[in-house]
Amino acid sequence: GNSVTQMEGPVTLSEEAFLTINCTYTATGYPSLFWYVQYPGEGLQLLLKATKADDKGSNKGFEATYRKETTSFHLEKGSVQVSDSAVYFCALSTKAAGNKLTFGGGTRVLVKP
Amino acid sequence: DSGVTQTPKHLITATGQRVTLRCSPRSGDLSVYWYQQSLDQGLQFLIQYYNGEERAKGNILERFSAQQFPDLHSELNLSSLELGDSALYFCASSPGTSGYISYNEQFFGPGTRLTVL
Repeated sequence: GNSVTQMEGPVTLSEEAFLTINCTYTATGYPSLFWYVQYPGEGLQLLLKATKADDKGSNKGFEATYRKETTSFHLEKGSVQVSDSAVYFCALSTKAAGNKLTFGGGTRVLVKP
Repeated sequence: DSGVTQTPKHLITATGQRVTLRCSPRSGDLSVYWYQQSLDQGLQFLIQYYNGEERAKGNILERFSAQQFPDLHSELNLSSLELGDSALYFCASSPGTSGYISYNEQFFGPGTRLTVL
C-alpha cells in the first residue's frame, strides 16, 4: 500500500533560518506528491505539488523536488518568517487508489523572532 | 478561502448520539473526500464520492456513512458515537476527471470539530 514518512517535530527555528522537512514515500504506481500546510485553528492548504520525477514544486518561497530514485520530496525554505509557524504535511495520491490522499504524520514548525 | 464550506464548525454531543456533518464543494468540483484528523491516528481518508456515487472507501467505521446529493453537497453521518470519535473532520473537493485529464489536487474545507462527551 501507499505510505508517507516525514520527520517528527517540533522543529524550532529562528527567523531567517533555513528550513528542511524530510519526506519519503512508498507507493504502488506513479504517485503525485504534495505538501499541505495547516495554520493554527485552520484547515489544510495546498502549499505545492509535483506530478512527475524531477518536477520542482514551489510556492511562497517553499520548494520541493520529486526524487524518484530516493522516493523523497523534501520541503525547503531559505529564510523562514514567524508567519511560517504551522504544521506541514507531506502527502501522495495515485490514480490507482482513486486519488485519495495518504498523509505523513505532520511536522510542527515553530519560528521564533 | 478554498471555496469549500463545512458546517457546523463545532459540534459537542454525548456518547450514543448521531450527528450529521455537511460539506459544500467548490463550484464545479465533482469529487468529495472525507478525512478524519485525530491526535492518535493523524489524517485518515474515510470515503470518496464522485458525482453522486461512492468511489472509494478507506478506514471508515460501519457506524459512519456518507452520501453526495444531486447538487453535489455531501453529508457525513456518524452514529452511536463513542469518545474515540472526537476529532476534526475535513471535507475536500477536487474537479475529478475531465476528458483525459485527471485532476488530483484537493481543496480542503475548514473542518468540523466534533467533541463527544
